Amino acid sequence: QKEVEQDPGPLSVPEGAIVSLNCTYSNSAFQYFMWYRQYSRKGPELLMYTYSSGNKEDGRFTAQVDKSSKYISLFIRDSQPSDSATYLCASMKTSYDKVIFGPGTSLSVIP
Amino acid sequence: DAGVIQSPRHEVTEMGQEVTLRCKPISGHDYLFWYRQTMMRGLELLIYFNNNVPIDDSGMPEDRFSAKMPNASFSTLKIQPSEPRDSAVYFCASNLRRNTEAFFGQGTRLTVV
Repeated sequence: QKEVEQDPGPLSVPEGAIVSLNCTYSNSAFQYFMWYRQYSRKGPELLMYTYSSGNKEDGRFTAQVDKSSKYISLFIRDSQPSDSATYLCASMKTSYDKVIFGPGTSLSVIP
Repeated sequence: DAGVIQSPRHEVTEMGQEVTLRCKPISGHDYLFWYRQTMMRGLELLIYFNNNVPIDDSGMPEDRFSAKMPNASFSTLKIQPSEPRDSAVYFCASNLRRNTEAFFGQGTRLTVV
């Protein structure tokens, strides 16, 4: 079993829709949770970074972590075609530990 | 800053040949990471350096893989001999401190035929 799992998709939504991307993880020692966005033929870029459980909001993006169920979510409001990318969730135990990435979910936002 | 610079962007080589991938991290960053990305296995950490010293190479798949960082502005990942299963996109990333955002290069797409 991989330590971080996510549905690879592809997920296709109309412009303006609310998008929900989800991950599960198996290691209860994970404390730090990240979402990376990767455009086609580019390197990943950090989108959101949270510590422990709770919510974090940044513009149209909200990251949610539920440690009791080992569940990580990313919500995108008012989705735009420019949000079309692969979204990778990632976790680590401590801030000095190596980052474990999920396989990524491919998202297409259709105009 | 130009960001993390990787070369070449694409590499096609024959099985058995030596392949060298290059990376220039962002100036001032003291951590450098090499990742490999495939459809099957996703993004995997191969090795990382701190202040030019290899810290964790447990992700390096085999002895055919080696990485060096001779100075703060340059690192190489070498595969010798290369095999078709090494075909992947190899990313280099750097960050200023261990617990901050890592900035990725654009990757090298390696195809071994």
